[in-house]
Formats: sequence, structure tokens, C-alpha cells
Amino acid sequence: KAGVTQTPRYLIKTRGQQVTLSCSPISGHRSVSWYQQTPGQGLQFLFEYFSETQRNKGNFPGRFSGRQFSNSRSEMNVSTLELGDSALYLCASSLERSLTDTQYFGPGTRLTVL
Amino acid sequence: AQSVTQLGSHVSVSEGALVLLRCNYSSSVPPYLFWYVQYPNQGLQLLLKYTTGATLVKGINGFEAEFKKSETSFHLTKPSAHMSDAAEYFCAVHRGTSYDKVIFGPGTSLSVIP
Repeated sequence: KAGVTQTPRYLIKTRGQQVTLSCSPISGHRSVSWYQQTPGQGLQFLFEYFSETQRNKGNFPGRFSGRQFSNSRSEMNVSTLELGDSALYLCASSLERSLTDTQYFGPGTRLTVL
Repeated sequence: AQSVTQLGSHVSVSEGALVLLRCNYSSSVPPYLFWYVQYPNQGLQLLLKYTTGATLVKGINGFEAEFKKSETSFHLTKPSAHMSDAAEYFCAVHRGTSYDKVIFGPGTSLSVIP
């Protein structure tokens, strides 16, 4: 079974631009979560989608948004990029939303904002 | 507020030596506890998790961890380090019932010396 895939793997943008990142979960997984990983703040939860609905959102500004499609694929969008948005963005999928379900992570998208 | 502490941001061990990575948490309720590993340029991989039941949890790659409620600890051990164990290790604790409530520790970078 294929793992979680994320595209693109690397991205360079300039301040003020917007960016869209894509995540394809493991087949059959319905929950997709997004995390931001930075050296200073560590791993922080961005949001979770389940059945095309955002179920939870972390403490991030409204510039960060996402969506989930009927096939469970998910995208996240960051508008008006700031230097501080440079990070590794990780997507994770699980069968359902329970902590007893293992969460599988993708390799991440490395975003650099210049 | 719940928090996770990982003692030692960098740990070095010799190949074949015991690996001990420390994790302490603060929690007002019995927690779910996780250990993840992250190899360079990859996402996180679940090593093991404690939900309920036996306090000694065995995971993949020969790792295990013991939940000690009285010490609020969940230290990760492996009897004999391999070169392939060199990676970043994250302890995480839940503060709810879904992944948006999981708090990650700052991580411990493990180096294995030949």
C-alpha cells in the first residue's frame, strides 16, 4: 500500500506570494492532519480534515487554510507569505479520528520564503 | 497546560550501547503517550504508543518505553544501538481525544558513534 505522498517536496517563494501544498493520504484513510515544523517552534498542529470538513484548527492566522476533497486528498494554502512561514509542512493520515488509529506521516514539503 | 520535556536535545551513544531517551510530561489526566522517529528529509514514523493496559510498550526496531505514572515519565530505550538509529526522536502526549490535542516535545537528536 502506498504511503502518504506530498507534493511538491521543495518550494521557494517570496514574501507576499501564496502557496498551495498537496497531500494524498493512504488509501482508505479519511482523516488528514497538517503540521508545521520549525527549529524554533517545533511541531505544531495546523488543522485536521475528515469527510471534507475541517474538524479542528491550531493557533495559526487566517492566512493558513485548507480543504479536503471527496477522495480524502487534501490541500493547504498559505496566502501573503511571511519569512516566518519558512518551515517543513507535514501531512499525516489515519483511518479515523481516534488516537488508537496510527497516524502516518508524509515526507513533508520544505517551504522557503525569501 | 500540558507540556512535554525531553531531557537532552542531543544524545550520543556508541554502536552497541544502550539507548536511553528521556521524556517527562505534565498531565492532569491519564495520557496517551507516543514516541516518533524522524530520519533526515523524512516525515515522522510512529515507534510506539501507550494508550491503556500494560505499561511496558514494545515498538518497532527494537525500541520499548515504560509508562511510569508516579514519575510522569515515558522514557524510550533500546538495548543495543545501531548506526541506523541515528535520527531525531519526538515524544508526544495527548491532551484530548483527537490528534489536534497532541503536544509534541522539542525532540532529541540521537547520534550513534561507530
